[in-house]
Amino acid sequence: DIVLTQSPATLSLSPGERATLSCRASQSVSSYLAWYQQKPGQAPRLLISDSSNRATGIPARFSGSGSGTDFTLTISSLEPEDFAVYYCQQHNNWPLTFGGGTKVEIK
Amino acid sequence: EVQLVESGGGLVQPGGSLRLSCAASGFTVSSNYMSWVRQAPGKGLEWVSVIYSGGSTYYADSVKGRFTISRDNSKNTLYLQVNSLRADDTAVYYCARETSNWYFDLWGRGTLVTVSS
Repeated sequence: DIVLTQSPATLSLSPGERATLSCRASQSVSSYLAWYQQKPGQAPRLLISDSSNRATGIPARFSGSGSGTDFTLTISSLEPEDFAVYYCQQHNNWPLTFGGGTKVEIK
Repeated sequence: EVQLVESGGGLVQPGGSLRLSCAASGFTVSSNYMSWVRQAPGKGLEWVSVIYSGGSTYYADSVKGRFTISRDNSKNTLYLQVNSLRADDTAVYYCARETSNWYFDLWGRGTLVTVSS
């Protein structure tokens, strides 16, 4: 199984700051990486697929990049509603696997 | 409105069974790939099972032989029959619509399964 390692585990930032989240795969997943946002008590929400394609309705402040084994989710300027947990998921190989998550918290 | 609503979770003893349901609206379950994904308390996400539009089914090794995914086209509903439950099956179970490119573009709010004596 492909293991996805997310870092850091927790990111403490203030509104307006830039957030950079990392996801590293144990083997190449080409560009087949998705990102999800999850708020407490809510279902995950798709943000990004295929490394860099924003899902419908996702603000432009969210961007994804990377290929192979190293991927980045960037939130250019944090809004209050962006404080949440973010998960990456590889969609290149079965079984589909998720990273352990990065919590973006208010500093 | 396009949405998924899960039900059927609850407290069950080890070795017990439950049937989880996921009612879809706004789209047709049988025309899509549909998955179950679970999240243990305080933990990350784990894919559990998928049923393809053609009817093929696949399972994570951790649940193979114990869980069965199915759908009722007349009710536009997805199911997960969970048998021989263990403590480590305790989780919120989400149903999710899976795209043909194997990511999840629609999720339900989940149903909690607690396995405890």
